[in-house]
Amino acid sequence: NAGVMQNPRHLVRRRGQEARLRCSPMKGHSHVYWYRQLPEEGLKFMVYLQKENIIDESGMPKERFSAEFPKEGPSILRIQQVVRGDSAAYFCASSPRYSGRQETQYFGPGTRLLVL
Amino acid sequence: GIQVEQSPPDLILQEGANSTLRCNFSDSVNNLQWFHQNPWGQLINLFYIPSGTKQNGRLSATTVATERYSLLYISSSQTTDSGVYFCAVNYAGKSTFGDGTTLTVKP
Repeated sequence: NAGVMQNPRHLVRRRGQEARLRCSPMKGHSHVYWYRQLPEEGLKFMVYLQKENIIDESGMPKERFSAEFPKEGPSILRIQQVVRGDSAAYFCASSPRYSGRQETQYFGPGTRLLVL
Repeated sequence: GIQVEQSPPDLILQEGANSTLRCNFSDSVNNLQWFHQNPWGQLINLFYIPSGTKQNGRLSATTVATERYSLLYISSSQTTDSGVYFCAVNYAGKSTFGDGTTLTVKP
């Protein structure tokens, strides 16, 4: 059973470009979470999604960031008009159901975004 | 929101030494995980431990949920144990991470 997959693993963008990060959850998992790790810091929650629904986006910046988890295909984290401060590692996690009911979140390898 | 504090922030050990890392959290949580982030940035799940004690080789963890803390024990440390150790608590679906303990094991 393949783990959580993220691609690309490394992404370089120039200021003003768009970044698209993809996350394929583990087989059978319908819940996806995105976290951001700025340099020298811990991971911070961004958004929690189920298929076709955003459950909690309290950690998402108000502008330029969006996330989706369509019925078919991977979850996408989209950053428009990137700035240097967006440079970070973006981790995706998945769980088979609501993690509050004592389900472990399984983390992917992360996408490292560098904005020049 | 829930606050998670880890201590110590930095730890330097000689190979073979033992260590204890601590995680305090401010409120009741549904579960707790310990992770190791290696020098290449990979996040490795060590334990899922909402309560009680678990052991895996040289590592063990104990969570006392009623007192809102968890401990990670590393025995006979090796240079490959170096990296950042994170504690994460989960409530209402999202995980809140501590700032981590950076462990350096010297040969």
